[in-house]
Amino acid sequence: DTGVSQDPRHKITKRGQNVTFRCDPISEHNRLYWYRQTLGQGPEFLTYFQNEAQLEKSRLLSDRFSAERPKGSFSTLEIQRTEQGDSAMYLCASSSLELNYGYTFGSGTRLTVV
Amino acid sequence: GDSVTQMEGPVTLSEEAFLTINCTYTATGYPSLFWYVQYPGEGLQLLLKATKADDKGSNKGFEATYRKETTSFHLEKGSVQVSDSAVYFCALNTNAGKSTFGDGTTLTVKP
Repeated sequence: DTGVSQDPRHKITKRGQNVTFRCDPISEHNRLYWYRQTLGQGPEFLTYFQNEAQLEKSRLLSDRFSAERPKGSFSTLEIQRTEQGDSAMYLCASSSLELNYGYTFGSGTRLTVV
Repeated sequence: GDSVTQMEGPVTLSEEAFLTINCTYTATGYPSLFWYVQYPGEGLQLLLKATKADDKGSNKGFEATYRKETTSFHLEKGSVQVSDSAVYFCALNTNAGKSTFGDGTTLTVKP
């Protein structure tokens, strides 16, 4: 078990460009979550999947954000037409009923929009 | 909606001091409660959890008791070490859906 992997670790992009992040969860975990974290704040919920089904998406999430989890394995988070306000750490976590849905987090992808 | 309130930091203690980080919550239903820790330069890690009232979660010398009557889940440790310096996040999870996190409390332990 290699834990939750996120790629890339860092991404610098120009405003208006599209970016895509990848998350590989722990294989036994059926739930996968995306969060965003800015300095001095706790993680903010974006969306989550159970297997391949996207069960909830934050109402605060712009239509520029989309996530997929094909075949219930890895997941991708895409941000279209990035804005400076999108600069943050994007966290992926996975979980299962056996853990009472406590999360195992990846190391995150730090996005900087310039 | 669900919310978590943590005591504001930063908290600075001397080694071997007693630690309490307060956490209170508002939730619909009966949440599971968690503490996560983020050491410098590392990702968030689950520290401990409790799933029902009066449960005590414990790990690495840290403890927290699920108090339904006061809607609290305060984190305690009897004797902190320099290596405990980190940011601590309280979180809740209702109905096995998303978790809601507090804003974190930074702990610095000085030798």
